Amino acid sequence: ETGVTQSPTHLIKTRGQQVTLRCSSQSGHNTVSWYQQALGQGPQFIFQYYREEENGRGNFPPRFSGLQFPNYSSELNVNALELDDSALYLCASSLAGQGAIDTQYFGPGTRLTVL
Amino acid sequence: DQQVKQNSPSLSVQEGRISILNCDYTNSMFDYFLWYKKYPAEGPTFLISISSIKDKNEDGRFTVFLNKSAKHLSLHIVPSQPGDSAVYFCAASAKSGANNLFFGTGTRLTVIP
Repeated sequence: ETGVTQSPTHLIKTRGQQVTLRCSSQSGHNTVSWYQQALGQGPQFIFQYYREEENGRGNFPPRFSGLQFPNYSSELNVNALELDDSALYLCASSLAGQGAIDTQYFGPGTRLTVL
Repeated sequence: DQQVKQNSPSLSVQEGRISILNCDYTNSMFDYFLWYKKYPAEGPTFLISISSIKDKNEDGRFTVFLNKSAKHLSLHIVPSQPGDSAVYFCAASAKSGANNLFFGTGTRLTVIP
């Protein structure tokens, strides 16, 4: 059983650019959630995808968008990057659906630096 | 608006002693609580969870206690080992909606050999 993987590990971008981060969920999991962890803070929920549809969204602007593919892998896209977008981006997968609770398992994260 | 709070940024404990990490929450809709452990340059690793229908859950050296009336939970590690040194995050979720996790800011535990 493979765990959650994310790519790339590190990324450096400049303000105004766009970035795509990728996540492969744990085998058998159908739900992917994305979190942003700023330095010294806990992870903050960006959005969740369940069976290829957005299943909830945190307090992030529309320039944060995502996709989930039929194999349940996922992408996080951020447009018009700002300096404050510099953070560790975490992907978590779970076997759950709407209204269900299950433990979320995290990948190692992608460290994004915006200059 | 921090709905999950960990008021102790750090904790140091001697090896073999008990470590107690605390967490408070404000949202009465939360009904599932988790503890994650995080090493530098890694994602959070799931440690233990508890549903709101219980007040205690135990897994080896780790025990989580939930006091719903006080909106407080704690993680006990006994005996503490140097390998337990990490940042511990408390997280909570509610049954409705996306079941997204709300995290505290973490407590850095250092176990001194």
